[in-house]
Amino acid sequence: ETGVTQSPTHLIKTRGQQVTLRCSSQSGHNTVSWYQQALGQGPQFIFQYYREEENGRGNFPPRFSGLQFPNYSSELNVNALELDDSALYLCASSSAGGYTDTQYFGPGTRLTVL
Amino acid sequence: GENVEQHPSTLSVQEGDSAVIKCTYSDSASNYFPWYKQELGKGPQLIIDIRSNVGEKKDQRIAVTLNKTAKHFSLHITETQPEDSAVYFCAARGGNQFYFGTGTSLTVIP
Repeated sequence: ETGVTQSPTHLIKTRGQQVTLRCSSQSGHNTVSWYQQALGQGPQFIFQYYREEENGRGNFPPRFSGLQFPNYSSELNVNALELDDSALYLCASSSAGGYTDTQYFGPGTRLTVL
Repeated sequence: GENVEQHPSTLSVQEGDSAVIKCTYSDSASNYFPWYKQELGKGPQLIIDIRSNVGEKKDQRIAVTLNKTAKHFSLHITETQPEDSAVYFCAARGGNQFYFGTGTSLTVIP
């Protein structure tokens, strides 16, 4: 069984740029959730994708957007990067369909915005 | 929305002693409470979870208790080992979202 994978591991961008982060869900999982984890904080829910549609969103502005593909992998896109977007971005997958159940996290992508 | 508070923020114990981390939540509709362990440079790893229809769950040295009336749940680690040193997060599912506590940094002193 393959776990959740994310790419890239680290990324450095400058303010105003755009970034795309990628996630492959665990084998057999059809739901992907994205989280932002600032240094010293717990993960904050950004949004969830199920059946290729957004299925819930946290308190993040529209410049955070995403996609889910037929193979259940997912992308997180962030436009107009701000310094405060520097964080660890985590992807979590689960298999309970639209109602999120037990989640398994990937290793994360560390984004630094200069 | 849901609000999860976690205490303490740091905890140091001697190897072999027990460690207890406590969380409270605000939304009585929350019904699923996982605990995660996060080591430096890694993503959170699920270590145990409990659902609202159960008061206690145990897995070897780790146990979780849930008090729905008081809206609090706790993680208990017995016979701690140095490899238990990490940051631990509690979470509560509110609707379709998970809300995390701010984490407890546990250090087990050999």
